[in-house]
Amino acid sequence: SQQGEEDPQALSIQEGENATMNCSYKTSINNLQWYRQNSGRGLVHLILIRSNEREKHSGRLRVTLDTSKKSSSLLITASRAADTASYFCAMRDDKIIFGKGTRLHILP
Amino acid sequence: DTGVSQDPRHKITKRGQNVTFRCDPISEHNRLYWYRQTLGQGPEFLTYFQNEAQLEKSRLLSDRFSAERPKGSFSTLEIQRTEQGDSAMYLCASTSTLGEKLFFGSGTQLSVL
Repeated sequence: SQQGEEDPQALSIQEGENATMNCSYKTSINNLQWYRQNSGRGLVHLILIRSNEREKHSGRLRVTLDTSKKSSSLLITASRAADTASYFCAMRDDKIIFGKGTRLHILP
Repeated sequence: DTGVSQDPRHKITKRGQNVTFRCDPISEHNRLYWYRQTLGQGPEFLTYFQNEAQLEKSRLLSDRFSAERPKGSFSTLEIQRTEQGDSAMYLCASTSTLGEKLFFGSGTQLSVL
């Protein structure tokens, strides 16, 4: 089964800066989703973008999707300490498969 | 609480023992997923159900793993003859058929000694 590849694997930035994470995948998808996981907890859905969409916004989150390149990016603007977490992209063809994640650390 | 619940939260077992985990999805959700996650990795797909039908089981999963969803509501995941490599967080998630986002439980942390 396919699995996404997030880039970078880990990212440390200063509070207030923007954080960008990228995801690449291999096969066709119906939609692509981003999830957040705080340490030791379950995953929480953040945002979904469908295969016929190119960009989507939700609060401080911006997601882009390029199906020709089979890639997506997640931008978190004006980062906060509470954004420290792991972020995963998830691809849906029928079942939902997750990438390996980006560990984001916001420095005070 | 109408979220996804998993039981137990933690399980410590000795190598060779059998363990069973339970997941109660959100009641109106007919799709249920099981994932396994180890430290620093993303959730690895194990299997998923549409109502009581198991639609797919990961080819990476050995025959020691089995899952059921007998009445299309709760699900159980059993691991027979546990090995130390089975130590991981086992996550359950649910969604509706046409639904697109997964709702996750808090997971069952398995430690095999």
